[in-house]
Amino acid sequence: DAGVIQSPRHEVTEMGQEVTLRCKPISGHNSLFWYRQTMMRGLELLIYFNNNVPIDDSGMPEDRFSAKMPNASFSTLKIQPSEPRDSAVYFCASSYHQGTYEQYFGPGTRLTVT
Amino acid sequence: QQQVKQSPQSLIVQKGGISIINCAYENTAFDYFPWYQQFPGKGPALLIAIRPDVSEKKEGRFTISFNKSAKQFSLHIMDSQPGDSATYFCAASTGRETSGSRLTFGEGTQLTVNP
Repeated sequence: DAGVIQSPRHEVTEMGQEVTLRCKPISGHNSLFWYRQTMMRGLELLIYFNNNVPIDDSGMPEDRFSAKMPNASFSTLKIQPSEPRDSAVYFCASSYHQGTYEQYFGPGTRLTVT
Repeated sequence: QQQVKQSPQSLIVQKGGISIINCAYENTAFDYFPWYQQFPGKGPALLIAIRPDVSEKKEGRFTISFNKSAKQFSLHIMDSQPGDSATYFCAASTGRETSGSRLTFGEGTQLTVNP
């Protein structure tokens, strides 16, 4: 079975540009999580969805960040406009919310904003 | 209330030694405590997990010790190997039906096992 799929794996963009990160969760999983990882702040939860519905977006840094999950097999995290401080590795994770809480992480997208 | 504190930040161990990483939490509603392992360039992956109804869980060379009264739990890696060199994260979850399986992660420990 394919794991969580993220694209692109690497993204380099200039400050002010729009960035869209994509995630395909594991088939059958009904929870999806977006994380950001930096040396300074560690692993931060940005937002998570249950059954395609956003449950908690309190970790989203500011209005420049938005996330959508139009269906059970696809989610996007958008940054508009991007800033150098957004440079980080962004992970998507999915889980099956029924009796187990194991989250399966994707390989991450390394974002560099110059 | 939601934080999980992890220590040490980094750890160097000789091959064959014991690696010990500690975590502490405040929220007594947490009922699931996993450890994740992350290799460079990869996403974290579940290593081992425990629920508060047991004080210890062992899987191969990896053991979680859980102290409910002290609100602390730790990861012990016996006979540490260079291949264990990675970053380790503790985490905790309330697992409530309405909140999903949200995890609160510790800050991470970078483990280096010297050959």
